[in-house]
Amino acid sequence: EIVLSQSPGTLSLSPGERATLSCRTSQSVGSGFLAWYQQKPGQGPRLLIYGTSSRATGIPDRFSGSGSGTDFTLTISRLEPEDFAVYYCQQYGHSRWTFGQGTKVEIK
Amino acid sequence: EVQLVESGGGLVQPGGSLRLSCAASGFTFSSYDMHWVRQVTGEGLEWVSGISGAGDTYYPDSVKGRFTISRENAKKSLYLQMNSLRAGDTAVYYCARASLQRYNFDFWGQGTLVTVSS
Repeated sequence: EIVLSQSPGTLSLSPGERATLSCRTSQSVGSGFLAWYQQKPGQGPRLLIYGTSSRATGIPDRFSGSGSGTDFTLTISRLEPEDFAVYYCQQYGHSRWTFGQGTKVEIK
Repeated sequence: EVQLVESGGGLVQPGGSLRLSCAASGFTFSSYDMHWVRQVTGEGLEWVSGISGAGDTYYPDSVKGRFTISRENAKKSLYLQMNSLRAGDTAVYYCARASLQRYNFDFWGQGTLVTVSS
């Protein structure tokens, strides 16, 4: 099973700042198989990025994804108040879907 | 508008069974793979089962043999039969639609809480 490790666990930033979230996988993951989600309290997750770098429908362009192999990054260029939430990476491989443990982006 | 509404959660004793349902609307249900993903309160997400539009099923080792995913395309409904439940199965269970590429989940329900306790 491919294990996903996200860092940092918590990111304390102010609105307007740039957020950089990391997701490392225990084995190489094809670029088409890595996604990112946002989750707010009491809600189901929302797909932000799929295929490493493609934004899902309706996702603002301040969200971007990059990476390859075992190292992937979600970047939020300028944090808006509604961006403070928990973010998860997720990969697909061999008919299995696994998630990272999440990074919480909180207001500093 | 795509909507996924889960139901069937509740309190069940260890060793017991429970059946979750997910009612889908706003899209051609039979054309999409569907999944269940769970989340222990305050913790991360864990994929627990998936089913293709044609009925092929997928499970992680943690639930294989205890959980059964199924669907009724005519009713636009997804199900999860959970048997031999353990305290560690306590979680919010989400119904999720896979994107057409199948590799990620593009719509999620609000979840239903399953509590396994005596």
